[in-house]
Amino acid sequence: GEDVEQSLFLSVREGDSSVINCTYTDSSSTYLYWYKQEPGAGLQLLTYIFSNMDMKQDQRLTVLLNKKDKHLSLRIADTQTGDSAIYFCAEVLGYIPTFGRGTSLIVHP
Amino acid sequence: DGGITQSPKYLFRKEGQNVTLSCEQNLNHDAMYWYRQDPGQGLRLIYYSQIVNDFQKGDIAEGYSVSREKKESFPLTVTSAQKNPTAFYLCASTALQGGRYGYTFGSGTRLTVV
Repeated sequence: GEDVEQSLFLSVREGDSSVINCTYTDSSSTYLYWYKQEPGAGLQLLTYIFSNMDMKQDQRLTVLLNKKDKHLSLRIADTQTGDSAIYFCAEVLGYIPTFGRGTSLIVHP
Repeated sequence: DGGITQSPKYLFRKEGQNVTLSCEQNLNHDAMYWYRQDPGQGLRLIYYSQIVNDFQKGDIAEGYSVSREKKESFPLTVTSAQKNPTAFYLCASTALQGGRYGYTFGSGTRLTVV
């Protein structure tokens, strides 16, 4: 079956922008989410986008949604070492939130 | 403050033992979920419950059991039938099937077989 797809790793230099990509499965998904997980912790909701939106900006975070291609991206501007974490995109299928495998973002000086 | 609490943070299980992981929320959420996380495999759904006294199997329910006797509580039992239980377990809840508030997660329980 189809899965929510994400690349596993992304390495960036501090101060650069990071772009994390995700391909989801259901074109009728109403809400799509980005979560952040720090080591040994639970998942923290970063932001969401509603399906009638193409873009959403929230401080350093920009979410882009391409419904035709079922593609979601998260851009983090001015990436800091504190942004190092695993980032998950998620869609809701029926009543079930379904997550990608997560992208490990590594920020180096 | 409202939130979702998982306990214990670390748990050690001997071969052949059953262990129970606690998940409690005071957010008045109807739906609760249990996920298992292994390195590089993301989150896999074990069980979920949308209302009290009702729950459904997820993708990897074998070797696990749950109960939902109270709205606030959704404990997960890892039975001796689960042959590879070492993992990080996450509990989540939601009020409105996600919506703009998404799903709230606990801080997780790390289970290790010794």
